[in-house]
Amino acid sequence: DGGITQSPKYLFRKEGQNVTLSCEQNLNHDAMYWYRQDPGQGLRLIYYSQIVNDFQKGDIAEGYSVSREKKESFPLTVTSAQKNPTAFYLCASSGVNFGTQYFGPGTRLTVL
Amino acid sequence: GENVEQHPSTLSVQEGDSAVIKCTYSDSASNYFPWYKQELGKRPQLIIDIRSNVGEKKDQRIAVTLNKTAKHFSLHITETQPEDSAVYFCATSNQGGKLIFGQGTELSVKP
Repeated sequence: DGGITQSPKYLFRKEGQNVTLSCEQNLNHDAMYWYRQDPGQGLRLIYYSQIVNDFQKGDIAEGYSVSREKKESFPLTVTSAQKNPTAFYLCASSGVNFGTQYFGPGTRLTVL
Repeated sequence: GENVEQHPSTLSVQEGDSAVIKCTYSDSASNYFPWYKQELGKRPQLIIDIRSNVGEKKDQRIAVTLNKTAKHFSLHITETQPEDSAVYFCATSNQGGKLIFGQGTELSVKP
């Protein structure tokens, strides 16, 4: 999972602002995922993409948007419509037949 | 809908003892069962996984068992060490590739 990078590591947002979290992978994986993790909680799926130029909503997509213009990149935008965005955001990718998912180091977003 | 229940939510053992974490799932089409370890503030890391055509898999002190009939699978850690202390997550997926995660078990190994 060293081939997945996320930036920034920490991000602070004022209310009403949109922010974009970066996720890049050099593993040549077809599928990429975004998860949200709240303190003491499990991982909840926000969006996922199985192929370039296509993506699907996960369980908690409201207030988020994504794009998949390149195989190696899957940025997540947290919009002002997301009322409680403070959380730890994890990106993951998986290869052939959508097997094992490997995670990036995460971005911790805090709303001021 | 698809659901994975994980128990216990917290587990405290003495160093050298064994630890067992159990997950039950609802989707009978599930065919892949990974376990992840997450240390505080870090990314989840895959520690072991099993596919539905196998009943048990072992890797040194870690083993996973799968009972497809009962729809449950378990993680077994033997000879626990303080560095095993972390949050452990089970997950399931089917051909669609989405992982459904359990709520996590916080394991504490006391020296």
